[in-house]
Amino acid sequence: DTGVSQDPRHKITKRGQNVTFRCDPISEHNRLYWYRQTLGQGPEFLTYFQNEAQLEKSRLLSDRFSAERPKGSFSTLEIQRTEQGDSAMYLCASSGGGGSASSYNEQFFGPGTRLTVL
Amino acid sequence: GENVEQHPSTLSVQEGDSAVIKCTYSDSASNYFPWYKQELGKRPQLIIDIRSNVGEKKDQRIAVTLNKTAKHFSLHITETQPEDSAVYFCAATLTGGGNKLTFGTGTQLKVEL
Repeated sequence: DTGVSQDPRHKITKRGQNVTFRCDPISEHNRLYWYRQTLGQGPEFLTYFQNEAQLEKSRLLSDRFSAERPKGSFSTLEIQRTEQGDSAMYLCASSGGGGSASSYNEQFFGPGTRLTVL
Repeated sequence: GENVEQHPSTLSVQEGDSAVIKCTYSDSASNYFPWYKQELGKRPQLIIDIRSNVGEKKDQRIAVTLNKTAKHFSLHITETQPEDSAVYFCAATLTGGGNKLTFGTGTQLKVEL
């Protein structure tokens, strides 16, 4: 599968623990997005990167959340001191790199990491 | 910021019938409107999109229409098949910046035999 990949697919943790998720975008894509999806809702934007630069963060992204994309390839999303309200599916998407502005429009999603905080 | 509303939340049709899902958006500056299909436990998959300079786009059994004045856009699926059963999400964004997508709340489509 040459699409977006995410690891792990499932994570169960106890409240107060730290967790880290990884996203590997499509190789030629230079934009990478993180979204959060709760049951019965559409994905909600969290943050995005253009290459290694984090260009925008949603107000949903509290101080306990941090994301990195150190070499402009894979990205990590860390949640510190997890709370039960953090339980959700965390989706990564990538776009761009096609040489035209329109190539940034189509976002391709990974399978997500389902986080359960007990 | 952008706000997208989607209706209905559930839709049940007989195989072979048509299905229509409607979305409205709040930000008149939004100019790109994709539709995603998400099967249970799987990733959202882009099925069709439309840009604001186009009123309608069709791809086989799927079509999307856009009314910029009313800030409405709709997904039309004709000759529905059981494999069309899934949750469908509409989204909107203004391209040229971050292209962050604002999604609707989803429509659970069930195609019955």
